[in-house]
Amino acid sequence: AQSVTQPDIHITVSEGASLELRCNYSYGATPYLFWYVQSPGQGLQLLLKYFSGDTLVQGIKGFEAEFKRSQSSFNLRKPSVHWSDAAEYFCAVAPRTYKYIFGTGTRLKVLA
Amino acid sequence: NAGVTQTPKFRILKIGQSMTLQCAQDMNHNYMYWYRQDPGMGLKLIYYSVGAGITDKGEVPNGYNVSRSTTEDFPLRLELAAPSQTSVYFCASSYDSPGELFFGEGSRLTVL
Repeated sequence: AQSVTQPDIHITVSEGASLELRCNYSYGATPYLFWYVQSPGQGLQLLLKYFSGDTLVQGIKGFEAEFKRSQSSFNLRKPSVHWSDAAEYFCAVAPRTYKYIFGTGTRLKVLA
Repeated sequence: NAGVTQTPKFRILKIGQSMTLQCAQDMNHNYMYWYRQDPGMGLKLIYYSVGAGITDKGEVPNGYNVSRSTTEDFPLRLELAAPSQTSVYFCASSYDSPGELFFGEGSRLTVL
């Protein structure tokens, strides 16, 4: 069955430190891949997406993600975290249907 | 543009009551979705629609119904509310599928 795994439920980093959020998916072919961010009390907002081509994808707010086919991973990175990045982050895959599959999310806490 | 608008933002229901969550989008998107978000569970697709007059079930459709009479509106009906339907509900839309999902701010429903 298709699935998305975000192994880290909570991550805490200091402001200015680098960040990597992990995402692994299970699917036979290469799906469309997304990262969304959810601030408290808000809906989800797209950070970036990968459909094909360059495996390093740039997104909004200084985020990037790298697709690694051999590892079935799509990890999200940011070189220097800001306090405003504190939120919950969701990885999602769309296996070429209308049914997106979301991971369970990683909640990021940023220490001043 | 308002984007995706959901009403109400909060609602408390008694067991057995019914209600409709409203969702409207002004982006002329053909694709619309209803998700529920439970703590630690990510988002689960309830129903989706690929255009006016066309709807289909997602992962967790039991206890819900939808209709899509216009491109703009996609209401979600809860019949005979149960405590298991306590959740945060998100409506989303997209121009294409798979594509970027645009989310509303959510409707928090409590069934007592």
